[in-house]
Amino acid sequence: AQSVTQLGSHVSVSEGALVLLRCNYSSSVPPYLFWYVQYPNQGLQLLLKYTSAATLVKGINGFEAEFKKSETSFHLTKPSAHMSDAAEYFCAVSALLGAQKLVFGQGTRLTINP
Amino acid sequence: ETGVTQSPTHLIKTRGQQVTLRCSSQSGHNTVSWYQQALGQGPQFIFQYYREEENGRGNFPPRFSGLQFPNYSSELNVNALELDDSALYLCASSQPGQGSNEQFFGPGTRLTVL
Repeated sequence: AQSVTQLGSHVSVSEGALVLLRCNYSSSVPPYLFWYVQYPNQGLQLLLKYTSAATLVKGINGFEAEFKKSETSFHLTKPSAHMSDAAEYFCAVSALLGAQKLVFGQGTRLTINP
Repeated sequence: ETGVTQSPTHLIKTRGQQVTLRCSSQSGHNTVSWYQQALGQGPQFIFQYYREEENGRGNFPPRFSGLQFPNYSSELNVNALELDDSALYLCASSQPGQGSNEQFFGPGTRLTVL
């Protein structure tokens, strides 16, 4: 069975600082991996996705993530945090075959300090 | 291109009642998935519909049921509501064969059970 673990339910950084949100996955086969962002009282917006092409994936709003098979990780980074980055971030995994369900982590709430 | 829409936005019900939530998929998508997101949690997969047939189900009781219509819109029905059913219900649409299992989410329906 697939699973996702997001280390740190709450991350706080200063504006302009590096953002690092951690995600580790468990899957019997190489999966698809996603990062979604959720602003208050809204649905989920896709930031980026890994689909077995390049291991370094660039997404929207300056975010990127690196797939590391040996570490079963897919950490999300952004070099310089913006106040507008404050939101809940979810890492998700999906199998290549079968039903296209997404298995989500518990989420990480990102707070940006001025 | 029209995105995923959901109705209603908010809903308040009492324990034991029944509720129907609706979702219109993004243009060109024939697959709809439903997720339940309890407060402070990541979304949990309820079930998925592909071409009007259930195509995978999560760990939810039978009182959670669904339908998909010929235009690929979908309904989620919950009978005998319980307090723990209070959550944000997210609908996501996708198109198999796109090579990524990417799902596009609607804004959600906030259900409160009193």
